[in-house]
Amino acid sequence: GNSVTQMEGPVTLSEEAFLTINCTYTATGYPSLFWYVQYPGEGLQLLLKATKADDKGSNKGFEATYRKETTSFHLEKGSVQVSDSAVYFCALVNNDMRFGAGTRLTVKP
Amino acid sequence: EAGVVQSPRYKIIEKKQPVAFWCNPISGHNTLYWYLQNLGQGPELLIRYENEEAVDDSQLPKDRFSAERLKGVDSTLKIQPAELGDSAVYLCASSLEATSGYNEQFFGPGTRLTVL
Repeated sequence: GNSVTQMEGPVTLSEEAFLTINCTYTATGYPSLFWYVQYPGEGLQLLLKATKADDKGSNKGFEATYRKETTSFHLEKGSVQVSDSAVYFCALVNNDMRFGAGTRLTVKP
Repeated sequence: EAGVVQSPRYKIIEKKQPVAFWCNPISGHNTLYWYLQNLGQGPELLIRYENEEAVDDSQLPKDRFSAERLKGVDSTLKIQPAELGDSAVYLCASSLEATSGYNEQFFGPGTRLTVL
């Protein structure tokens, strides 16, 4: 079946540090891949997506590349800010939508 | 444009009591989803509607959970009777009609249910 495994948190970084949150998936066929972000007290928001192998999704300084050979979609940002503190969910769509467990990121000034 | 609206935001009840959650999707969005999110986990689909038809309710525990989407707009999710293990966040999302491929889902803030 379809599933998503993402890096366990919580992750705590200092401002301007480099961020990587790992995500790997299991699916038949060619799923679309997503990163959602959930800020405190708010609903999930789509951060970025990639619909085919080697696509790179990017938004707000975040990037993730769809790697079919490693079945991965790692989230990266070169310089995090305090305002990036949130929970990040990796997800895939392959007939239905599956989410990872989420990774809580805290960025300290 | 208003986002997905859910109410209540928080609900505390005693076990064996009934509870209902309400969702108003984004105007024009034909597809509506209810998800369950347990603490420290990602959302899990309970039911998906295309207009007023439930097209995927395979994960809905039908012995105690029910949902409806009369007129294909607002939706209500009900639990009767609630159990301790139902304590979680219930998320509603909506998207344009998913006739092919994927349409971005927009999520509401959720209803946090605590069953005592």
